[in-house]
Amino acid sequence: DAGVIQSPRHEVTEMGQEVTLRCKPISGHDYLFWYRQTMMRGLELLIYFNNNVPIDDSGMPEDRFSAKMPNASFSTLKIQPSEPRDSAVYFCASRPGSQPQHFGDGTRLSIL
Amino acid sequence: AQSVTQLDSQVPVFEEAPVELRCNYSSSVSVYLFWYVQYPNQGLQLLLKYLSGSTLVKGINGFEAEFNKSQTSFHLRKPSVHISDTAEYFCAVSRSGGSNYKLTFGKGTLLTVNP
Repeated sequence: DAGVIQSPRHEVTEMGQEVTLRCKPISGHDYLFWYRQTMMRGLELLIYFNNNVPIDDSGMPEDRFSAKMPNASFSTLKIQPSEPRDSAVYFCASRPGSQPQHFGDGTRLSIL
Repeated sequence: AQSVTQLDSQVPVFEEAPVELRCNYSSSVSVYLFWYVQYPNQGLQLLLKYLSGSTLVKGINGFEAEFNKSQTSFHLRKPSVHISDTAEYFCAVSRSGGSNYKLTFGKGTLLTVNP
């Protein structure tokens, strides 16, 4: 079992640039979640999908953030344009049905 | 909506000492409760969960937690900690029933085990 795979592990870019974070969930998991972790706000749910369909995006902070899940094995979280306050660790998690979530190792994003 | 309060942001202990990490939750509906552990530069790993049944739940690495509905608490305990238990611990809650539930996390407790 390869676990949830996120890429890149680290991303440093200048403000105004487009940032794309990627996630490959565990095969067979039908739920996928994107979280953001910061010292100030802790772990926040941004959006989650069920069977590739976005169910709740109420945690997405602004229109600059968008997420897609074109198929069961891939999801992206995009920030355009990026700002320094977007600097955080972004986690992807997946789960099968009602079972607990499995987390990836995260992408540490720094916007200069 | 649900909310979680982890009462201690940092807990330093000596190796082989017992530890309790406190978690209180708020919810107007029945809940499921979870504890996750995060080691440096890694994602969260599930330690244990309470869904129903016995209020004393045993998890991995010798941890256990007790669900107390009247006090709306789910404190995590270990009788004897190791240096390797140094990590951040997160309590989480979700609405029970069905499968469309979201996790709400506490702010975390940093457990530091000193030799």
